[in-house]
Amino acid sequence: KAGVTQTPRYLIKTRGQQVTLSCSPISGHRSVSWYQQTPGQGLQFLFEYFSETQRNKGNFPGRFSGRQFSNSRSEMNVSTLELGDSALYLCASSLFSLAVAGELFFGEGSRLTVL
Amino acid sequence: SQQGEEDPQALSIQEGENATMNCSYKTSINNLQWYRQNSGRGLVHLILIRSNEREKHSGRLRVTLDTSKKSSSLLITASRAADTASYFCATDSLAGGTSYGKLTFGQGTILTVHP
Repeated sequence: KAGVTQTPRYLIKTRGQQVTLSCSPISGHRSVSWYQQTPGQGLQFLFEYFSETQRNKGNFPGRFSGRQFSNSRSEMNVSTLELGDSALYLCASSLFSLAVAGELFFGEGSRLTVL
Repeated sequence: SQQGEEDPQALSIQEGENATMNCSYKTSINNLQWYRQNSGRGLVHLILIRSNEREKHSGRLRVTLDTSKKSSSLLITASRAADTASYFCATDSLAGGTSYGKLTFGQGTILTVHP
C-alpha cells in the first residue's frame, strides 16, 4: 500500500509570492490534515479536510487555505508569503476524521523556504 | 499554544539503556498518541492510549497515562542507536465531552542513543 505522498519536497519562494502544496493520502483514507512545523513554534495544526469538507481549522491567518478533491487528494495554498512561513509542512491521512480519533499516517513533508 | 509539554527536551543515553520521556497536558483528553520523527522527516505513529486506559505496550515501548495528573510517559526499553529521533506526544482534547477534532502536539524530546 503506497504511503502518503507530498509534493514538492523542497521549494524556495520569495516574499509576496504564493505557493501550493499537494498531498495524496493513502488509498481509502478520507481525512487529510495539515501541519506546520518550525523550530520556534513546533508542530501546529493548520486544518483538516474530510470528504471534501473542511472540518476544523487551526489558528492561522486567512492566507493559509486548503481544499480536498473527490479522490481525497488535498492541496494547501499560502498566499502573500512572509519570511515566517518558512517551515516544514506536513500532511497526514487517516481512515476516520480527527474527531473520531485514530492513527495518523504522515507524509515526508514539503520544506518551504521564503527569501 | 502547545497543549502538551514534554520533558526532558533532550535525552542522551547509551545503547541498551532505557529511555523515559514525559508529556503533560492541560485539558481533558479523548486520547493521547506518541509519534517519532527522524531528522526533519515525516512523523511515524507509535502508540495510541485512550483516556480510559492506564498502560499500553507495543514491543519495546510502554506508555502510561495518568489522567488525574494530566500526564503520560513513554518508556523505550533496551534502546538502540536506531531509536535516535525526536518523540512527540499529541493530544485529542475534549470540550463538553466532544472531541475538538484536532491533534495538539508537544514540543518533543530529542533522544540520542550512542552505540
